[in-house]
Amino acid sequence: AQSVTQLGSHVSVSEGALVLLRCNYSSSVPPYLFWYVQYPNQGLQLLLKYTTGATLVKGINGFEAEFKKSETSFHLTKPSAHMSDAAEYFCAVTKKTSYDKVIFGPGTSLSVIP
Amino acid sequence: DAGVIQSPRHEVTEMGQEVTLRCKPISGHDYLFWYRQTMMRGLELLIYFNNNVPIDDSGMPEDRFSAKMPNASFSTLKIQPSEPRDSAVYFCASSFKLDSPLHFGNGTRLTVT
Repeated sequence: AQSVTQLGSHVSVSEGALVLLRCNYSSSVPPYLFWYVQYPNQGLQLLLKYTTGATLVKGINGFEAEFKKSETSFHLTKPSAHMSDAAEYFCAVTKKTSYDKVIFGPGTSLSVIP
Repeated sequence: DAGVIQSPRHEVTEMGQEVTLRCKPISGHDYLFWYRQTMMRGLELLIYFNNNVPIDDSGMPEDRFSAKMPNASFSTLKIQPSEPRDSAVYFCASSFKLDSPLHFGNGTRLTVT
């Protein structure tokens, strides 16, 4: 069975500081990994995805994530936080070889302090 | 493309009443998903369809919940009778292929009093 953990339900950073949101997964088969962002009163939007190939994946709004198989991690980073980055972030995993339910992590709420 | 469209955005109803949530997926997407989001349980997959056929409804909490997809451009999630513990935000999402990213609607915030 697959699962996703996100360390820290709430993260606060200063504007201009590094953003690091942690995601660890467990999967018995090669995974597809995703990061989604949810702004208040909206649905989730895809930030980036890892399917195959390059392990460093770049997404929208300056975010990127690195797939590390040995650490079963897919942490999300952004060099410099902007006020508009304040939102809820969800890591998600599904199987590469056959479809199964997309499993979402519990989410991390990011606050950006001016 | 207008994206996934859900209606209504907000629904307030009394316990025991029937509630119907509606979803129009993105044209050309073969998969449609219904999720429920609460503070306590996070995002839960209730049911998903492939080409209008329900594939996995194991997440539907109980018989009070039902979902239909009569055609490729419309789906409903019905709760009858509704209970206060059904209060949540319900999201519809669609995707092109099995492993494609999900496109979410803006959700329906349901309050059952």
